[in-house]
Amino acid sequence: EAQVTQNPRYLITVTGKKLTVTCSQNMNHEYMSWYRQDPGLGLRQIYYSMNVEVTDKGDVPEGYKVSRKEKRNFPLILESPSPNQTSLYFCASSLTGRNIQYFGAGTRLSVL
Amino acid sequence: DAKTTQPNSMESNEEEPVHLPCNHSTISGTDYIHWYRQLPSQGPEYVIHGLTSNVNNRMASLAIAEDRKSSTLILHRATLRDAAVYYCILRPPDWGSARQLTFGSGTQLTVLP
Repeated sequence: EAQVTQNPRYLITVTGKKLTVTCSQNMNHEYMSWYRQDPGLGLRQIYYSMNVEVTDKGDVPEGYKVSRKEKRNFPLILESPSPNQTSLYFCASSLTGRNIQYFGAGTRLSVL
Repeated sequence: DAKTTQPNSMESNEEEPVHLPCNHSTISGTDYIHWYRQLPSQGPEYVIHGLTSNVNNRMASLAIAEDRKSSTLILHRATLRDAAVYYCILRPPDWGSARQLTFGSGTQLTVLP
């Protein structure tokens, strides 16, 4: 089944403790992206990747890192999480940047 | 970037048609109109997209105004499972100059039994 898989689905952590949210897609898509969703602000893009080893900032990249060493994986790294990064995170992928995006089920992160 | 305007919320009765409007008066000639929806506790999912002509698929129909400054997503028979936030998004064809989908606040559709 074609899908975008995020892990974990739920995460509670403390300020400053590094964490990684994984994202994997099995559709051989070139384009992958991370969004965060906050009440009243909608979905905002954090980072995106057009292909392996190619990443670029979205609208709200501060405090986040990404890497794209393999086509299928696009982890989101929070080196030193802060409470303002408490949010619902979505990973998405598409064949290219112009195609339909497929979203993961989301990761709800709470930073205490 | 071209923006879209949608009503914050709409209600529909079950098994009746629903017309969800979207205004995009600053759309460029090559922007595609995409619709996504987000069911409760899920990630957004693609619904339909079009450029100039009306489009139909198994989920919905998309009616695009002749001047392309507005469009309407049509759910022919709303079911309770269609209750979701519906997003209208403009997507330029040249991905090199437009990196992302910009989601607005969308329309919260409530379907009444």
